Amino acid sequence: EVQLVESGGVVVQPGGSLRLSCAASGFTFDDYTMHWVRQAPGKGLEWVSLISWDGGSTYYADSVKGRFTISRDNSKNSLYLQMNSLRTEDTALYYCAKDGVSSGWFDYWGQGTLVTVSS
Amino acid sequence: AIRMTQSPSSFSASTGDRVTITCRASQGISSYLAWYQQKPGKAPKLLIYAASTLQSGVPSRFSGSGSGTDFTLTISCLQSEDFATYYCQQYYSYPTITFGQGTRLEIK
Repeated sequence: EVQLVESGGVVVQPGGSLRLSCAASGFTFDDYTMHWVRQAPGKGLEWVSLISWDGGSTYYADSVKGRFTISRDNSKNSLYLQMNSLRTEDTALYYCAKDGVSSGWFDYWGQGTLVTVSS
Repeated sequence: AIRMTQSPSSFSASTGDRVTITCRASQGISSYLAWYQQKPGKAPKLLIYAASTLQSGVPSRFSGSGSGTDFTLTISCLQSEDFATYYCQQYYSYPTITFGQGTRLEIK
């Protein structure tokens, strides 16, 4: 059974930093592109970032480019999101999601971890 | 960036109804479209990809159609568990991915 378990979400002040983690199991982690998708409270879904199976390619939404860094450790079946220079508009539930066949749809999602940026 | 617009934003229906949700892309995206269902407090669930391919385990009452700019998600006979919010998502401009704003389906 595929499982994605996010962690690391907390309350942080504007300008602060945070690292999210996602532990994957139930599939061959290093075969798949992985993503972060977020959802602000009461709002829709927003794609944040993706990383290729080997970590060699990374992409970001314009809203987080230059502030967030995605990475992975295939030896630990783990995905990460380093979030710097946080803004109040980054407040959201952050989901880790597995790419279906490295084409851009998400066949499995974690339960999410909540990041709140507030003073 | 490709914009995805869903209609309606919300509506109500009764169990047993046939319902259709529409998603329109701001430019042609071929069939690079997925649909998700999200229930309150839960993660989204993939229903359909490639505009019309049903994800494994998804009931056959769900179907998708369309290509280019106009797409539809149809639920042929609403069940109580289908009341949720539905999102379309384009991946034509992969790696840049965008979602529609969502359609909330409520019980009448």
